Amino acid sequence: ELKVEQNPLFLSMQEGKNYTIYCNYSTTSDRLYWYRQDPGKSLESLFVLLSNGAVKQEGRLMASLDTKARLSTLHITAAVHDLSATYFCAEETSGSRLTFGEGTQLTVNP
Amino acid sequence: GAVVSQHPSRVICKSGTSVKIECRSLDFQATTMFWYRQFPKQSLMLMATSNEGSKATYEQGVEKDKFLINHASLTLSTLTVTSAHPEDSSFYICSALQGIDGYTFGSGTRLTVV
Repeated sequence: ELKVEQNPLFLSMQEGKNYTIYCNYSTTSDRLYWYRQDPGKSLESLFVLLSNGAVKQEGRLMASLDTKARLSTLHITAAVHDLSATYFCAEETSGSRLTFGEGTQLTVNP
Repeated sequence: GAVVSQHPSRVICKSGTSVKIECRSLDFQATTMFWYRQFPKQSLMLMATSNEGSKATYEQGVEKDKFLINHASLTLSTLTVTSAHPEDSSFYICSALQGIDGYTFGSGTRLTVV
Protein backbone atom coordinates (compact mmCIF):
# COMPACT_ATOMS: atom_id res chain seq x y z
CA GLU A 1 0.00 0.00 0.00
CA LEU A 2 1.27 3.40 -0.95
CA LYS A 3 1.88 5.51 2.08
CA VAL A 4 3.38 8.92 2.64
CA GLU A 5 3.92 9.91 6.24
CA GLN A 6 4.75 13.35 7.48
CA ASN A 7 5.84 14.44 10.88
CA PRO A 8 5.12 16.39 12.79
CA LEU A 9 1.49 16.94 11.82
CA PHE A 10 1.29 20.09 13.90
CA LEU A 11 4.15 22.46 14.49
CA SER A 12 4.07 25.64 16.49
CA MET A 13 7.26 27.60 16.49
CA GLN A 14 8.56 31.03 17.31
CA GLU A 15 9.80 33.48 14.78
CA GLY A 16 13.50 33.21 14.21
CA LYS A 17 13.73 29.52 15.04
CA ASN A 18 14.69 26.65 12.77
CA TYR A 19 12.83 23.42 12.29
CA THR A 20 12.54 20.43 9.96
CA ILE A 21 9.50 18.62 8.60
CA TYR A 22 10.03 14.99 7.64
CA CYS A 23 8.38 13.04 4.87
CA ASN A 24 8.73 9.27 4.61
CA TYR A 25 7.39 7.49 1.56
CA SER A 26 6.89 3.87 0.78
CA THR A 27 7.83 3.16 -2.82
CA THR A 28 10.92 3.48 -4.94
CA SER A 29 9.73 6.67 -6.55
CA ASP A 30 12.49 9.14 -7.29
CA ARG A 31 10.25 12.16 -7.59
CA LEU A 32 9.02 14.02 -4.56
CA TYR A 33 7.07 17.26 -4.32
CA TRP A 34 6.49 19.83 -1.62
CA TYR A 35 3.47 22.11 -1.59
CA ARG A 36 2.13 24.88 0.57
CA GLN A 37 -1.57 25.42 1.25
CA ASP A 38 -3.04 28.48 2.90
CA PRO A 39 -6.48 28.19 4.54
CA GLY A 40 -9.25 28.02 1.97
CA LYS A 41 -6.78 28.04 -0.91
CA SER A 42 -5.38 25.55 -3.36
CA LEU A 43 -1.83 24.25 -3.48
CA GLU A 44 1.23 26.29 -4.27
CA SER A 45 4.19 24.39 -5.62
CA LEU A 46 7.37 24.81 -3.57
CA PHE A 47 9.86 22.20 -4.74
CA VAL A 48 10.24 19.30 -7.14
CA LEU A 49 12.97 16.88 -6.13
CA LEU A 50 13.97 14.61 -8.96
CA SER A 51 16.93 12.54 -7.85
CA ASN A 52 18.76 11.15 -4.87
CA GLY A 53 20.70 13.81 -3.03
CA ALA A 54 18.72 16.64 -4.59
CA VAL A 55 18.66 19.80 -2.54
CA LYS A 56 16.69 22.90 -3.40
CA GLN A 57 16.38 26.17 -1.58
CA GLU A 58 14.01 29.09 -1.88
CA GLY A 59 14.21 31.82 0.70
CA ARG A 60 13.89 30.36 4.18
CA LEU A 61 12.87 26.92 2.92
CA MET A 62 15.19 24.13 1.86
CA ALA A 63 14.13 20.69 0.70
CA SER A 64 16.21 17.55 0.27
CA LEU A 65 15.68 14.03 -0.96
CA ASP A 66 17.27 10.74 0.08
CA THR A 67 15.81 8.04 -2.13
CA LYS A 68 17.69 5.25 -0.38
CA ALA A 69 16.11 6.13 2.93
CA ARG A 70 12.85 7.12 1.19
CA LEU A 71 12.98 10.35 3.11
CA SER A 72 12.55 13.96 2.20
CA THR A 73 12.95 16.91 4.51
CA LEU A 74 11.72 20.49 4.44
CA HIS A 75 13.91 22.70 6.57
CA ILE A 76 12.75 26.07 7.77
CA THR A 77 15.37 28.62 8.67
CA ALA A 78 14.66 31.63 10.88
CA ALA A 79 10.90 31.26 10.58
CA VAL A 80 8.68 34.26 10.01
CA HIS A 81 4.93 34.60 10.50
CA ASP A 82 4.28 34.56 6.75
CA LEU A 83 5.40 30.94 6.62
CA SER A 84 2.35 29.87 8.63
CA ALA A 85 0.47 27.40 6.41
CA THR A 86 -0.02 23.70 5.86
CA TYR A 87 2.80 21.94 4.04
CA PHE A 88 2.31 18.75 2.08
CA CYS A 89 4.80 16.39 0.57
CA ALA A 90 3.66 14.16 -2.26
CA GLU A 91 5.19 11.17 -3.94
CA GLU A 92 4.74 10.59 -7.64
CA THR A 93 4.11 7.01 -8.64
CA SER A 94 3.38 5.23 -11.88
CA GLY A 95 0.80 6.84 -14.10
CA SER A 96 1.74 10.27 -12.77
CA ARG A 97 -0.32 9.70 -9.66
CA LEU A 98 0.44 11.81 -6.63
CA THR A 99 0.06 10.37 -3.16
CA PHE A 100 0.01 13.09 -0.53
CA GLY A 101 1.17 13.04 3.04
CA GLU A 102 -1.21 14.05 5.79
CA GLY A 103 0.13 17.59 5.85
CA THR A 104 1.99 19.56 8.50
CA GLN A 105 0.15 22.54 9.91
CA LEU A 106 2.77 25.13 10.73
CA THR A 107 2.08 28.09 12.98
CA VAL A 108 4.81 30.67 13.44
CA ASN A 109 4.24 32.84 16.46
CA PRO A 110 5.65 36.34 16.85
CA GLY B 1 4.16 30.00 -15.60
CA ALA B 2 1.49 27.49 -16.45
CA VAL B 3 -2.00 28.30 -15.22
CA VAL B 4 -4.96 26.04 -14.63
CA SER B 5 -8.17 28.01 -14.29
CA GLN B 6 -10.88 26.37 -12.20
CA HIS B 7 -14.51 27.51 -11.93
CA PRO B 8 -16.58 28.09 -9.97
CA SER B 9 -14.59 28.85 -6.84
CA ARG B 10 -17.62 28.34 -4.63
CA VAL B 11 -20.97 26.73 -5.22
CA ILE B 12 -23.92 25.96 -3.00
CA CYS B 13 -26.49 23.55 -4.34
CA LYS B 14 -29.54 21.74 -3.13
CA SER B 15 -29.41 18.08 -2.32
CA GLY B 16 -30.28 15.98 -5.38
CA THR B 17 -29.08 18.48 -7.96
CA SER B 18 -25.97 18.28 -10.14
CA VAL B 19 -22.99 20.59 -10.19
CA LYS B 20 -20.38 20.99 -12.90
CA ILE B 21 -16.82 22.12 -12.18
CA GLU B 22 -14.53 23.22 -15.02
CA CYS B 23 -10.78 23.23 -15.28
CA ARG B 24 -8.99 24.87 -18.17
CA SER B 25 -5.31 24.90 -18.97
CA LEU B 26 -4.73 28.44 -20.16
CA ASP B 27 -1.37 28.43 -21.86
CA PHE B 28 -0.57 24.79 -22.43
CA GLN B 29 -2.22 21.61 -23.57
CA ALA B 30 -3.10 19.17 -20.85
CA THR B 31 -3.65 15.68 -22.19
CA THR B 32 -4.07 14.49 -18.64
CA MET B 33 -5.75 16.19 -15.71
CA PHE B 34 -6.27 14.96 -12.19
CA TRP B 35 -9.19 15.53 -9.85
CA TYR B 36 -8.75 15.60 -6.10
CA ARG B 37 -11.08 15.95 -3.17
CA GLN B 38 -10.08 17.44 0.16
CA PHE B 39 -12.22 17.30 3.29
CA PRO B 40 -11.61 19.87 6.05
CA LYS B 41 -8.32 19.41 7.89
CA GLN B 42 -7.43 16.45 5.70
CA SER B 43 -5.07 15.74 2.87
CA LEU B 44 -5.86 15.58 -0.83
CA MET B 45 -7.21 12.32 -2.18
CA LEU B 46 -7.00 11.53 -5.87
CA MET B 47 -10.44 10.79 -7.27
CA ALA B 48 -9.72 10.21 -10.93
CA THR B 49 -7.35 10.78 -13.81
CA SER B 50 -8.90 12.48 -16.80
CA ASN B 51 -7.49 11.70 -20.25
CA GLU B 52 -8.30 13.75 -23.31
CA GLY B 53 -10.44 11.81 -25.73
CA SER B 54 -10.83 8.73 -23.58
CA LYS B 55 -12.54 7.52 -20.46
CA ALA B 56 -11.36 8.68 -17.08
CA THR B 57 -9.62 6.33 -14.70
CA TYR B 58 -11.22 6.33 -11.27
CA GLU B 59 -9.57 5.48 -8.00
CA GLN B 60 -10.89 2.65 -5.93
CA GLY B 61 -14.00 3.60 -4.03
CA VAL B 62 -14.93 6.56 -6.24
CA GLU B 63 -18.31 6.16 -7.91
CA LYS B 64 -18.02 6.64 -11.66
CA ASP B 65 -21.71 7.33 -12.11
CA LYS B 66 -21.74 9.95 -9.42
CA PHE B 67 -18.60 11.84 -10.42
CA LEU B 68 -18.74 12.24 -14.17
CA ILE B 69 -15.54 13.37 -15.83
CA ASN B 70 -15.28 14.68 -19.35
CA HIS B 71 -12.06 15.70 -21.06
CA ALA B 72 -13.24 16.58 -24.54
CA SER B 73 -10.38 18.88 -25.50
CA LEU B 74 -6.72 19.39 -24.69
CA THR B 75 -7.51 22.40 -22.52
CA LEU B 76 -10.73 21.52 -20.73
CA SER B 77 -11.73 18.89 -18.21
CA THR B 78 -15.01 18.91 -16.31
CA LEU B 79 -16.19 17.15 -13.18
CA THR B 80 -19.93 16.82 -12.66
CA VAL B 81 -21.17 15.80 -9.25
CA THR B 82 -24.53 14.19 -9.95
CA SER B 83 -27.36 13.94 -7.44
CA ALA B 84 -25.27 15.71 -4.86
CA HIS B 85 -25.75 15.00 -1.19
CA PRO B 86 -24.41 16.79 1.89
CA GLU B 87 -21.64 14.21 2.26
CA ASP B 88 -20.31 15.35 -1.13
CA SER B 89 -19.59 18.76 0.34
CA SER B 90 -15.85 19.19 -0.01
CA PHE B 91 -13.05 21.13 -1.67
CA TYR B 92 -12.42 19.85 -5.19
CA ILE B 93 -9.11 20.60 -6.89
CA CYS B 94 -7.90 19.80 -10.38
CA SER B 95 -4.33 19.65 -11.59
CA ALA B 96 -2.37 19.11 -14.76
CA LEU B 97 1.12 17.78 -15.31
CA GLN B 98 3.53 20.29 -16.74
CA GLY B 99 6.35 17.96 -17.67
CA ILE B 100 9.53 18.25 -15.64
CA ASP B 101 8.18 21.31 -13.85
CA GLY B 102 5.65 19.21 -12.06
CA TYR B 103 1.98 19.75 -11.48
CA THR B 104 -0.07 22.91 -11.70
CA PHE B 105 -3.16 23.07 -9.53
CA GLY B 106 -6.41 24.88 -10.09
CA SER B 107 -7.64 27.28 -7.45
CA GLY B 108 -10.18 24.80 -6.13
CA THR B 109 -13.96 24.66 -5.83
CA ARG B 110 -15.70 24.73 -2.47
CA LEU B 111 -18.89 22.70 -2.87
CA THR B 112 -21.57 22.92 -0.21
CA VAL B 113 -24.64 20.75 -0.59
CA VAL B 114 -27.62 21.81 1.52
